[in-house]
Parts: sequence; C-alpha cells; structure tokens
Amino acid sequence: AQTVTQSQPEMSVQEAETVTLSCTYDTSENNYYLFWYKQPPSRQMILVIRQEAYKQQNATENRFSVNFQKAAKSFSLKISDSQLGDTAMYFCAFIHNAGNMLTFGGGTRLMVKP
Amino acid sequence: GAGVSQTPSNKVTEKGKYVELRCDPISGHTALYWYRQSLGQGPEFLIYFQGTGAADDSGLPNDRFFAVRPEGSVSTLKIQRTERGDSAVYLCASSLGTGVYNEQFFGPGTRLTVL
Repeated sequence: AQTVTQSQPEMSVQEAETVTLSCTYDTSENNYYLFWYKQPPSRQMILVIRQEAYKQQNATENRFSVNFQKAAKSFSLKISDSQLGDTAMYFCAFIHNAGNMLTFGGGTRLMVKP
Repeated sequence: GAGVSQTPSNKVTEKGKYVELRCDPISGHTALYWYRQSLGQGPEFLIYFQGTGAADDSGLPNDRFFAVRPEGSVSTLKIQRTERGDSAVYLCASSLGTGVYNEQFFGPGTRLTVL
C-alpha cells in the first residue's frame, strides 16, 4: 500500500514571493506518477502539475515547479511569484502505473497575503 | 464542454436515513471514480467504474455503501442507514479511460451532513 504525507498543515506567503510545499511518500513500486492538486473553496480539485517517476527532469508548469527526489521519496511543490488566487488547499497524490485510484496526502492550506 | 457535475451540492439528512448522490461525468469519459473527503483530510478512494461495471470497489467502507452506473454514464452513490461518521464531501471524477495516462477531472463534490 502507498502512503502520502504532507507535514505542513498550513503555510502562508506574501504576494509575489516564493513558497515550497513538502510531500513525502512511501511505496514499493518503481513506476508511478505523482501529482499536485489545488482545491479552492469551491471544492473542485484542479490538477496543478504531474511528474512521472521514470523521468529525472523536474516538471514545470509556468509558476509551478517540483523538486522530485526519487531516492528520498520526496516531491515538493514550488510556487513562484505567488498570487492571491493561489490561496487554496494543496494535495499531493500518488498513482502507480498499474493502478487507477489516486492516493492523497492530508493537504496543506496555503494562504497568500497581500 | 461541461465538466463533471454532482447533485445535490449539499445534503443534510438524519441518522438512519437513505441518501443518493449523483454524478454526471464529462461526456465520452468511460471511467468514473468516487472519493470521500472527511473534514481536514485528503480524499480517499471508494470505487471506480469502467463503463457500466465496478472495476474496483475495495474502498467502500462497508455494505451500507453501494454505487451503480447502469448506462455507463451517470453514476449514483447510495448510502443506507446513514451514520454521523458518513458526514463528508463525496467527490466524483471521470477520465477518458483508465490508467495513469488519463487525467481524472473532478466535480465540485456533494457535502453530506448526517445529523
């Protein structure tokens, strides 16, 4: 079974600054995908970024990038130039290549302050 | 095109009652997933469908929970004899197919409150 741990229940950052959210996971699988989802107050989960475990290069999507350390089973999300609209819950999630269901961490509440 | 929709948005019921939660997936998506998100936690997998059949229902907590997808589109999650511990947001997601290459698109969820 897989587990995903987010050790920061809450984080805050000033607008335009950079913030990093942490995630660690545990699995015996070698081939898997990792994701960061954003959940605003509307409750709808929105995919922010994904990383394939076999790729060494860290994924980047505009202001969002990840630091994927496979050996350490760590997958952190960096948000650059934080905007007020980034305020939300952020969930790290895992899926192994042969699987279909996502395993989520407990979430980090991010507040961007003006 | 429309995204995943879920009805009702909020449902308040009394302990012991029966409830049905509905999910309308994105048109053409063959895979449909149900997750449950308790307060302050991440979503937990309940069940997923490929077409009309439940391909994996290992996340259903007990036999009070049941889900159907009779025509391979709309799905209904049914909870019998509701308990206060069933209070949570129930999220539905759909994808073009199963497997990791197909992104799961989530609906806004149904917040169930059992009094």
